Amino acid sequence: EPEVTQTPSHQVTQMGQEVILRCVPISNHLYFYWYRQILGQKVEFLVSFYNNEISEKSEIFDDQFSVERPDGSNFTLKIRSTKLEDSAMYFCASSEVDLRNEKLFFGSGTQLSVL
Amino acid sequence: DQQVKQNSPSLSVQEGRISILNCDYTNSMFDYFLWYKKYPAEGPTFLISISSIKDKNEDGRFTVFLNKSAKHLSLHIVPSQPGDSAVYFCAAYNNAGNMLTFGGGTRLMVKP
Repeated sequence: EPEVTQTPSHQVTQMGQEVILRCVPISNHLYFYWYRQILGQKVEFLVSFYNNEISEKSEIFDDQFSVERPDGSNFTLKIRSTKLEDSAMYFCASSEVDLRNEKLFFGSGTQLSVL
Repeated sequence: DQQVKQNSPSLSVQEGRISILNCDYTNSMFDYFLWYKKYPAEGPTFLISISSIKDKNEDGRFTVFLNKSAKHLSLHIVPSQPGDSAVYFCAAYNNAGNMLTFGGGTRLMVKP
């Protein structure tokens, strides 16, 4: 079964450093997403991406965050200057069509620890 | 801002019995609801969904019920199996957006 893959599975960084989280969505999917889950809290939407541009973003997704689809397969989330509160599990997800008609496929996540 | 709420953080059930997981929402614009299951070290996986035009959807051992007037939905698992032990997230979205709003999750433990 096709799956969304994320690398690395764990990332440790110093506060203020830049991190890039990588995702390879399912190949025929057109919609891409980042969600995150802070330990003990709910899964929160960050951003959705379609047709090479951001279609929606949440209040969490401030100027420190950016997304990119640098080639035909990767989808990345960059945090420019990490803060302690950015520590969370970051999930990439993709869907074949928009959410109204299709379920989301999630990757297994990248655990980001900011020290 | 808890638009989707799962009030029970955990639930313990005996194998073979029914598991009932509950979810409440406040946003009347939500028109599509989903349940996701999550095992440790894995991402959430889709389980079952229901549109607001229905009040019940069944898929094997899993049934989701929607009570729009009460803004409440529930997931029934019958019979429960030890492999069902996981965290279950309720999620919703509305016709204006392309994002899911998740509840906080309920950890289900099915004891053999």
